[in-house]
Amino acid sequence: KQEVTQIPAALSVPEGENLVLNCSFTDSAIYNLQWFRQDPGKGLTSLLLIQSSQREQTSGRLNASLDKSSGRSTLYIAASQPGDSATYLCAAPEGGGSNYKLTFGKGTLLTVNP
Amino acid sequence: ETGVTQSPTHLIKTRGQQVTLRCSSQSGHNTVSWYQQALGQGPQFIFQYYREEENGRGNFPPRFSGLQFPNYSSELNVNALELDDSALYLCASSLKTGPSTDTQYFGPGTRLTVL
Repeated sequence: KQEVTQIPAALSVPEGENLVLNCSFTDSAIYNLQWFRQDPGKGLTSLLLIQSSQREQTSGRLNASLDKSSGRSTLYIAASQPGDSATYLCAAPEGGGSNYKLTFGKGTLLTVNP
Repeated sequence: ETGVTQSPTHLIKTRGQQVTLRCSSQSGHNTVSWYQQALGQGPQFIFQYYREEENGRGNFPPRFSGLQFPNYSSELNVNALELDDSALYLCASSLKTGPSTDTQYFGPGTRLTVL
């Protein structure tokens, strides 16, 4: 059974700071991992999808890494902005093969202060 | 290309009632998954529908049921509502080709409050 843990649960930083969000998962037989953003009361926006054959994926100021052997993924946000304030969720598929079921962490609530 | 849409946006029901939530999948997608997100928690997988059949189910009781229609839209039905059913219900669509499934794209969710 896949379990996903995210650390820290909450993070408050001043604008412009670089930051790292951490995600760990128990079942390393995954073939991808996704990072999502969720604004209060809203749905999920997919940020990055890392295939197991990749070690990193980048989109703008976001960079996600995946280390299957250690069961860890990190989301790096460069030069944070107040608009980055949201909850960030990572999700791993249950076991190998089809990712028909995503298991989510509880998320990291990020606040970027102007 | 239209994204995933869900209706209604908000819903208030009382204990014991039944509710139906609706989801229209993204164009070209054949698979719909439903998730329940309680306040302060990550989404929990309820079930997935592929080609109008249930393709996997999470740890939810049988009073949670679903349908997928030929146009790949989907419904989530919950009978005998309980207070703990209050949550944000998220629908995600994806394209399943063979044994693997592509990225899931989420809708805006339906906020259900049970009084």
